[in-house]
This record gives sequence, C-alpha cells and structure tokens, in this order.
Amino acid sequence: QKEVEQNSGPLSVPEGAIASLNCTYSDRGSQSFFWYRQYSGKSPELIMFIYSNGDKEDGRFTAQLNKASQYVSLLIRDSQPSDSATYLCAVNMDDDMRFGAGTRLTVKP
Amino acid sequence: NAGVTQTPKFQVLKTGQSMTLQCAQDMNHNSMYWYRQDPGMGLRLIYYSASEGTTDKGEVPNGYNVSRLNKREFSLRLESAAPSQTSVYFCASSRVDRTNQPQHFGDGTRLSIL
Repeated sequence: QKEVEQNSGPLSVPEGAIASLNCTYSDRGSQSFFWYRQYSGKSPELIMFIYSNGDKEDGRFTAQLNKASQYVSLLIRDSQPSDSATYLCAVNMDDDMRFGAGTRLTVKP
Repeated sequence: NAGVTQTPKFQVLKTGQSMTLQCAQDMNHNSMYWYRQDPGMGLRLIYYSASEGTTDKGEVPNGYNVSRLNKREFSLRLESAAPSQTSVYFCASSRVDRTNQPQHFGDGTRLSIL
C-alpha cells in the first residue's frame, strides 16, 4: 500500500512562532519529496523539494528529510498570518507520486 | 506568465451528461496530469501523459478518458457523469518525468454533478 500520512490538523501557532509540519511515507525506496501550500479554494503551489537526507533551507522555510525513519518535515520560522493554509506533502513511490491529505495551519495574529 | 490554464472554472452537470475539461500549459513541459481532490483524501491521479502521444491510467481512472492533443494541451472527458465525480479537478504539468520533478498546477475546475 502506497501511503503518505499527514496530521490533518488544524495546527494553530501564534504569529512569530515556528510551525512544524510532519509527513510519513510507506515506501522505503522513495527518493523525491515535495511540499506544496494550498490556500482555501486555490491550487497547490510548490514551496520546496528535497532529495537528500538532512536539511534544506529557503528563506523562512526548512525541509528536513530522514529516509531511515521515513519522514519529511517542513519548518516555517517567524510564522505569519499569510502562512495560514493547507500544506501538502508529496512523495514519489515507484513510478508514482502520492500526495498526503494535507495539514491545515492557522497562524494567529 | 499563464502557466497552466484550465477551463471552465466551475460547472454543474446533471447525472448522465458528458463534458470535457480543458487544460493547456505554456511552459514547454513534456508531462501533464489530471487529479481530483476530495475533502480529506488529498490529490488522486486520474490519468497522466508522460509525453506527447502517450497517456496512462493513474489511481482512479474509471469513468474518465483523456486526450493529449499536442504538447501544450491535455483534456479530460467525463462520458456519463455520476454524482461520485463531484470534485475539484486539477491539471498539472512538469518538465519531465513526474516522480522526481515538481509539478505546476492550474487553478482547478469545480465540478458538481446533480
């Protein structure tokens, strides 16, 4: 069974805090990992991708990958109300790309 | 930059009616995809086209057909709509192979089947 699991939330953090979003996946052979942001009623928008174990930073966003434990996370530093959205994790599995159902994040002013 | 353009944005159909959802991309991408998104279930792949002239089934292909008209355009057809096909449909594209390339999404089509 090809699965990508995310806590549906909602995850609520105060403005300025660090938001931590987690994703686990079932296929130990997965090599490519993506995070998308989706505002309500809008389309998914790519935030970051990561292929190697460790951390990858882009501005306020950091993706962390641990293939041995089969999880990938997204950290959002200095969270802003404009970061309030659903965050989708996507993982390649064999010749397929699977999306998690998403975690809804709310950043409160 | 238009990116991925989907038409229509909204549609209401009666059970048994047919319709075609249109998608076009202007990024010179080789691969294109159709997804449906239902509450609590994430994005599920309906069909994809790895390159011009090829199409393949995804996770949930039943009740749908596709046509890769040219490199830019990829359409999704519902031959006999059913209420279970009420969903938001997204078209996406990527430069090459879908499993290790980021995908770029259109704005979606919100489809209701009565």
